[in-house]
Amino acid sequence: DAEITQSPRHKITETGRQVTLACHQTWNHNNMFWYRQDLGHGLRLIHYSYGVQDTNKGEVSDGYSVSRSNTEDLPLTLESAASSQTSVYFCASSDGGPGLDEQFFGPGTRLTVL
Amino acid sequence: QKEVEQNSGPLSVPEGAIASLNCTYSDRGSQSFFWYRQYSGKSPELIMFIYSNGDKEDGRFTAQLNKASQYVSLLIRDSQPSDSATYLCAVTVQDMRFGAGTRLTVKP
Repeated sequence: DAEITQSPRHKITETGRQVTLACHQTWNHNNMFWYRQDLGHGLRLIHYSYGVQDTNKGEVSDGYSVSRSNTEDLPLTLESAASSQTSVYFCASSDGGPGLDEQFFGPGTRLTVL
Repeated sequence: QKEVEQNSGPLSVPEGAIASLNCTYSDRGSQSFFWYRQYSGKSPELIMFIYSNGDKEDGRFTAQLNKASQYVSLLIRDSQPSDSATYLCAVTVQDMRFGAGTRLTVKP
């Protein structure tokens, strides 16, 4: 069955370290998204991609980067982790027109920055 | 003003009652409207989507959209304890923006 996976599921790191969170989908969806979820803020868009080599900044992109070299993967990199980036991170994918279709979410990665 | 606003709750209803969840949005250019359900510790899953003014029904769920008032709602009929979750309203223009969610508790 097609699915979307994230790894690791839990990560503890130290301030200043570079961290990469993986997202892999087998839906063959063109569109992929990264969100963070914090209490009281709901889901906030970090970066998104509408196809290979396409990346766009979302609402809270500072301190994060992504690259899209194939359809299946959109890794999220925290260049220099900060305590404010402690959060739950969700990857999602969708097909069809950007913003028009259901997004399917991965299981999430809980990141703690000490 | 937040782009998508929801009452954080908690909203508590007895089993069998109608739960009414509300959402307002600020961008009149918003095109698509979604309701996601999120159980504690889990990822969001789609409940309903609606694109046009009016009502859309799917089983016990009804989504209502009023673009003039910039208002979208979700009604859950015959609420069950298994409906207890956080409900996220999402609105898209160029990308998807989520509200903070309303926590619903259905008491047996």
